Amino acid sequence: EIVLTQSPGTLSLSPGERATLSCRASQSVSSSYLAWYQQKPGQAPRLLIYGVSTRAMGTPDRFSGSGSGTDFTLTISRLEPEDFAVYYCQQFGGSPSFTFGPGTKLDIK
Amino acid sequence: EVQLLESGGDLVQPGGSLRLSCATSGFPFSVYEMSWVRQAPGKGLEWVSSVSGSGGRTTYADSVKGRFTTSRDNSNNILYLQMSNLRAEDTAVYFCARIGVVYYFDFWGQGTLVTVSA
Repeated sequence: EIVLTQSPGTLSLSPGERATLSCRASQSVSSSYLAWYQQKPGQAPRLLIYGVSTRAMGTPDRFSGSGSGTDFTLTISRLEPEDFAVYYCQQFGGSPSFTFGPGTKLDIK
Repeated sequence: EVQLLESGGDLVQPGGSLRLSCATSGFPFSVYEMSWVRQAPGKGLEWVSSVSGSGGRTTYADSVKGRFTTSRDNSNNILYLQMSNLRAEDTAVYFCARIGVVYYFDFWGQGTLVTVSA
């Protein structure tokens, strides 16, 4: 089983700052199969990034993804008020088929 | 516009059964693999099950294998999750989600709450 670990657990920043969220896998993940989601309270998750770095339709270009192998990063270049949420990474492969990281909560400082 | 709408969540006793439905529209349903993902109160996301476009292949998380069955009605564009022998730890919001080309979840329903409690 590929286990995903996200850090930090909580990140407190101010609007306009840069956010860097980390996702580390216990085994190498195919670059095609790493995605990021944003979830706000009471809402379903929303796909932001797939294939490590491809923005989903409607994802603002201040969001970018990078990484390979076991280390992946989601960067938000300049935080907007609507960006404060929980972010999850997700991989596909092995058994179980899909796994999610535990999430990073992005808080307003 | 792609739409996914879950229903069927309820309060059920331990050991009981429940069937969730996910009505879809706005895309060629039979072309896409579909999944169920759940989220326990205050917790993270957990993949539950997936089904191929034809319905002929299903996969399950170990935590639900043998208790849950995923199926689909491609004539009516509906995804199902039959849950049996429910446990307290199955309490969660259950989301249906469409699987994108490279194994990500590109569209999600709003979720339906299943509570397992005596």
